[in-house]
Amino acid sequence: KQEVTQIPAALSVPEGENLVLNCSFTDSAIYNLQWFRQDPGKGLTSLLLIQSSQREQTSGRLNASLDKSSGRSTLYIAASQPGDSATYLCAGGGSQGNLIFGKGTKLSVKP
Amino acid sequence: GAVVSQHPSRVICKSGTSVKIECRSLDFQATTMFWYRQFPKQSLMLMATSNEGSKATYEQGVEKDKFLINHASLTLSTLTVTSAHPEDSSFYICSALARDQETQYFGPGTRLLVL
Repeated sequence: KQEVTQIPAALSVPEGENLVLNCSFTDSAIYNLQWFRQDPGKGLTSLLLIQSSQREQTSGRLNASLDKSSGRSTLYIAASQPGDSATYLCAGGGSQGNLIFGKGTKLSVKP
Repeated sequence: GAVVSQHPSRVICKSGTSVKIECRSLDFQATTMFWYRQFPKQSLMLMATSNEGSKATYEQGVEKDKFLINHASLTLSTLTVTSAHPEDSSFYICSALARDQETQYFGPGTRLLVL
């Protein structure tokens, strides 16, 4: 059974700092790995999707990596801004479209 | 922890028929429910936000007349795919949010196949 763990549960950084969010999964037979952003009271926003055959994806200041052999994914945020404050979720995807989500990392970027 | 259920888990229907998907929060009152759709090899995409007792708010590109959402009670939201076509075949997942809470709880999803 796939389990997804995110560390840390919460993170507070000063504006401008580069940071890394970690995600680990137990079943390496992962179909894809997705990172989402969740703002309070709102639906998820998809950030990056990495297929199992890929190693990384980039979008703007965000870079996500995937290492299936070690069961890890990281989300790197460069030059963090207060607007980046949110909860970040990673989810392991199965071939049937089912998603197993981690519990998220709550990020606070202080001005 | 909080549990959200979806029914059915899988449905196969003929083109032109309508399909209703239920999303229930089992042990908490969900003032807001979200409906997502995920096509193969694509990320989960938000379709609409549903608040109890009011009309749903649809994301750009989502047809409100095709995807009818009803959130009639604090524990139930339904998504009806009207006149379904093969291109509507997808994985539909809901999530529920309690009042004054930040954590969303996700249902297990419904796989829809339109023939």
